[in-house]
Parts: sequence; C-alpha cells; structure tokens
Amino acid sequence: DAKTTQPNSMESNEEEPVHLPCNHSTISGTDYIHWYRQLPSQGPEYVIHGLTSNVNNRMASLAIAEDRKSSTLILHRATLRDAAVYYCILRGSNSGYALNFGKGTSLLVTP
Amino acid sequence: ETGVTQTPRHLVMGMTNKKSLKCEQHLGHNAMYWYKQSAKKPLELMFVYNFKEQTENNSVPSRFSPECPNSSHLFLHLHTLQPEDSALYLCASSQDMLVDRETQYFGPGTRLLVL
Repeated sequence: DAKTTQPNSMESNEEEPVHLPCNHSTISGTDYIHWYRQLPSQGPEYVIHGLTSNVNNRMASLAIAEDRKSSTLILHRATLRDAAVYYCILRGSNSGYALNFGKGTSLLVTP
Repeated sequence: ETGVTQTPRHLVMGMTNKKSLKCEQHLGHNAMYWYKQSAKKPLELMFVYNFKEQTENNSVPSRFSPECPNSSHLFLHLHTLQPEDSALYLCASSQDMLVDRETQYFGPGTRLLVL
C-alpha cells in the first residue's frame, strides 16, 4: 500500500467538529482512500471510503483534495464515543488482502 | 453492531487444551478473514477465505487451523498453543475481494489468554 501520514494525536471538545488529516502524496490513480477506527478494546470499524469525490455517510464525511494527495475525515459533532484511533489507508488492486493500519491518529474527546 | 459476531468473547486456555473460535457474518458477504492483534502491535492477517476457498495463509503455525464450512461461518481451531499466542483474535468479512467491494467489517474479537 502507498504510504499515508497522519498526526499521532488530536484533541477535540465534545459536540464540536473534528477534522482528521491524512497525507498520501504517492497515491496512485486507482487507489481508494479508506478510513477505519478502533475504539479501546474493540475490533476495528469501517468509517468511510472514497476515490475522487467527497463522500458523506451517517458516521462522517470524507473530503478529498483535488490532486488526491491528501484527505480529511470530518466528524461533524464529536461525542465521547468517537474517542478512538483513526486509520487512513489506501487500497488498490495491488494492495493484498491485509489491512495495513499503520499508527493512525489517536483522537481524544473531552467533555 | 457490524453484522459480524464472534464467540466466545473471552477465552482462557491451557497449553494442552483444544478450543475453537467461531465467527458468523449476517451481511451476505463472500470473503472472511482471521486477524491477530497482539498488545501494541499492528494487525496481523492470518487467513483469508473467498467463496469458501482459502486464498491466504500468512505463514501461520499449524497449531492454528481454520475452517470455513460456508460463506457465513468461519472457525479457528486452536491446539497446543503457546503463551505468546495470547492476543485479540478478530474476524472480518467483505463482500468479496474486488477493489471497492473489499471494505472489511470486523467482529468484536475474542480475547484469548494462554496459560
């Protein structure tokens, strides 16, 4: 998988929006951008994915830069339950079966 | 609820025991995965099944034996494990293996302790 770079940690207040950045300057034209998260003591959870256009679902929004070299996961109103490690990964036809999560961004949400 | 269930959620076993982990997905998916997650280590893919056929065995020791009787069920049979096998074992499923249909949905995991 092409490399992604994320901040180690971020902090947010409850009920405020959170913007989690991801840089992927070596992304190929056919790589999809996926976001997963893992809450403490739980299995990973799929959040959202996209290719070129911005995407919205019930959990989050994904904003993809026009050159696709970066993306931002947007949580519109953070809750305490959103405290987790967020992983940005690229998936393409040569990615293999394993999800290579890297270190991700640890999000702390404070009341 | 992700539509992927795992039982048991916690398991303590001795090194001479035989036990099995069960995974069931209710999503109509055709691909299923076993991962191992040790403390402070990244996810390690163990096995992959696509349409009930094993497509990946990531050099996993033979004391771990997978079984996939149908597309909805996946088992991991355990025997003569070592203490270093203590970890969180995660099951996942995806629609299939094609790009944009291989988003993986994970179960809650089985936390295994080998004494």
